[in-house]
Amino acid sequence: GDSVTQMEGPVTLSEEAFLTINCTYTATGYPSLFWYVQYPGEGLQLLLKATKADDKGSNKGFEATYRKETTSFHLEKGSVQVSDSAVYFCALRDGGYNKLIFGAGTRLAVHP
Amino acid sequence: EAGVVQSPRYKIIEKKQPVAFWCNPISGHNTLYWYRQNLGQGPELLIRYENEEAVDDSQLPKDRFSAERLKGVDSTLKIQPAELGDSAVYLCASSFQTSGFSSYEQYFGPGTRLTVT
Repeated sequence: GDSVTQMEGPVTLSEEAFLTINCTYTATGYPSLFWYVQYPGEGLQLLLKATKADDKGSNKGFEATYRKETTSFHLEKGSVQVSDSAVYFCALRDGGYNKLIFGAGTRLAVHP
Repeated sequence: EAGVVQSPRYKIIEKKQPVAFWCNPISGHNTLYWYRQNLGQGPELLIRYENEEAVDDSQLPKDRFSAERLKGVDSTLKIQPAELGDSAVYLCASSFQTSGFSSYEQYFGPGTRLTVT
């Protein structure tokens, strides 16, 4: 079945460092891809999305490009802030079923 | 605009006891989801409703879990009896979907953290 694999955390960075969180997927069809973020004590929020190959999703300085050839959707940010500390989830949505399949999440801790 | 509301936020019960969680979706959203998130894992879908109809409950352990969405608005998820392995965060989400159009974004509530002792 469809699945999502994320790099394990925690990822610990200093403020203004470059961030990459790797995400790869397995899917039989042509899924849409998402990054969700979960801040402490809050629900999941959609960070960005891409619905077809080579699409780039971006929001709040974060970017991810849908790479069909490598089945990847890596999350990047050029300069992280302390406020970016959270758990980040990569997810796919199979077009045939309105269901999100999530990776295990990657915890990011940014220190001043 | 109010988000997805869930209650309670935290619940501690002894095993074999019943427990219920409540969710009120965003106004106008016809699709409602219940997810379970185990510690250190991503959410997994338990059940999805379109209006009052449960259209995907394949992952719901039906021997002890039940859910309802009367009138197609708020929903209740129940566990009876609870087991130690049911300790998790139960998330509710909602979205708007019609035939031929789907909002990709699911809006999540803050979740209910259940601890079974």
